[in-house]
Amino acid sequence: EPEVTQTPSHQVTQMGQEVILRCVPISNHLYFYWYRQILGQKVEFLVSFYNNEISEKSEIFDDQFSVERPDGSNFTLKIRSTKLEDSAMYFCASRILAGGFDEQFFGPGTRLTVL
Amino acid sequence: DAKTTQPNSMESNEEEPVHLPCNHSTISGTDYIHWYRQLPSQGPEYVIHGLTSNVNNRMASLAIAEDRKSSTLILHRATLRDAAVYYCILTSREYGNKLVFGAGTILRVKS
Repeated sequence: EPEVTQTPSHQVTQMGQEVILRCVPISNHLYFYWYRQILGQKVEFLVSFYNNEISEKSEIFDDQFSVERPDGSNFTLKIRSTKLEDSAMYFCASRILAGGFDEQFFGPGTRLTVL
Repeated sequence: DAKTTQPNSMESNEEEPVHLPCNHSTISGTDYIHWYRQLPSQGPEYVIHGLTSNVNNRMASLAIAEDRKSSTLILHRATLRDAAVYYCILTSREYGNKLVFGAGTILRVKS
């Protein structure tokens, strides 16, 4: 069964460093998303991406964040200068755009720890 | 974003049916009702979705009130593996179907 994969599973970084979180969405999916979940809190929407551009972003997704689909398979989230409060689980999701089928498939997540 | 209201937690016995309620009194005509769940230490997982009619799939059933202001997720026979946080979410196709998660309902299943 096709699945969304994410790497790394756990990333530890120093405050102020840049991190890139990688996702491989399901191959025929067209919509891509990043969400995050701070420990013990709700899952929060960050950004959606379609047709090689951002279709929507939340207030969390400020200038420190960027997304890219560099090669038609990977979907990346970059945080330019990490802060302590960026520590969270980051989930990538993808969705096929076909008829009424509306499921988002989530990856297993990357745990980001900022020290 | 349209809001949903769910109980904080529910408990069920294994092998018994579970009815998880959700209120969404401000739902608009184009909003879909989605249910996702999140097992411990995992990413969210799609369960089911619907618009107006009741829906069944291999995981669950979704019963939607006639006025669409509430819905119920039905797990026909709860297993220990169904212990998770269940989220009822409204989405709009118009806005890219982002998912806005609330706190959800923590379902505990007793053996």
